[in-house]
Amino acid sequence: EPEVTQTPSHQVTQMGQEVILRCVPISNHLYFYWYRQILGQKVEFLVSFYNNEISEKSEIFDDQFSVERPDGSNFTLKIRSTKLEDSAMYFCASSASTSGGLRRTDTQYFGPGTRLTVL
Amino acid sequence: AQKITQTQPGMFVQEKEAVTLDCTYDTSDPSYGLFWYKQPSSGEMIFLIYQGSYDQQNATEGRYSLNFQKARKSANLVISASQLGDSAMYFCAMSLNNNAGNMLTFGGGTRLMVKP
Repeated sequence: EPEVTQTPSHQVTQMGQEVILRCVPISNHLYFYWYRQILGQKVEFLVSFYNNEISEKSEIFDDQFSVERPDGSNFTLKIRSTKLEDSAMYFCASSASTSGGLRRTDTQYFGPGTRLTVL
Repeated sequence: AQKITQTQPGMFVQEKEAVTLDCTYDTSDPSYGLFWYKQPSSGEMIFLIYQGSYDQQNATEGRYSLNFQKARKSANLVISASQLGDSAMYFCAMSLNNNAGNMLTFGGGTRLMVKP
């Protein structure tokens, strides 16, 4: 069964450093997402991406964040200068369609996550 | 803005019994989708079940079913015949049709513990 993969599974970095989190969405999906989950808290939307453009972003997704689809398979999240409060689990997700939840194919399938620890 | 509420931070259920996890939502939009995800201790988010706002029947996926009451704005997850492997966090989430990016809004989650 196709699945979303993410690398690395765990990233430790120093405050102020740049990190790039990588994701390979399900191959026939066209819509990609990043979410984060601070330990013990709810899952929060960061950004959605389609056709090489950001479709929607949250207030969390400020100028320190960027996303890219550098090739036909990878989808990346870059944090330019990490802060302590960026420590969280970051999830990539993908879906086959997007109609605001009106179709089952809008279902977002999540990767296993990258645990980011900022020291 | 849409909001998802899961009022049960933690629940116990005896193995082989059924359990209902509550989820209520708040939106004035008539078009939306509701999703349940399972997060075991290993951390991944596993999709369980989907319900569209215009679906006439309650969704079912194996041992999972969704008790969808649109007028009450509730979408409770029912797990039948609980297994030890069902012990996990469960999240209810919603997507609105007026969101350009199909973002999911999540509830705070319910931790389910299955007793042998």
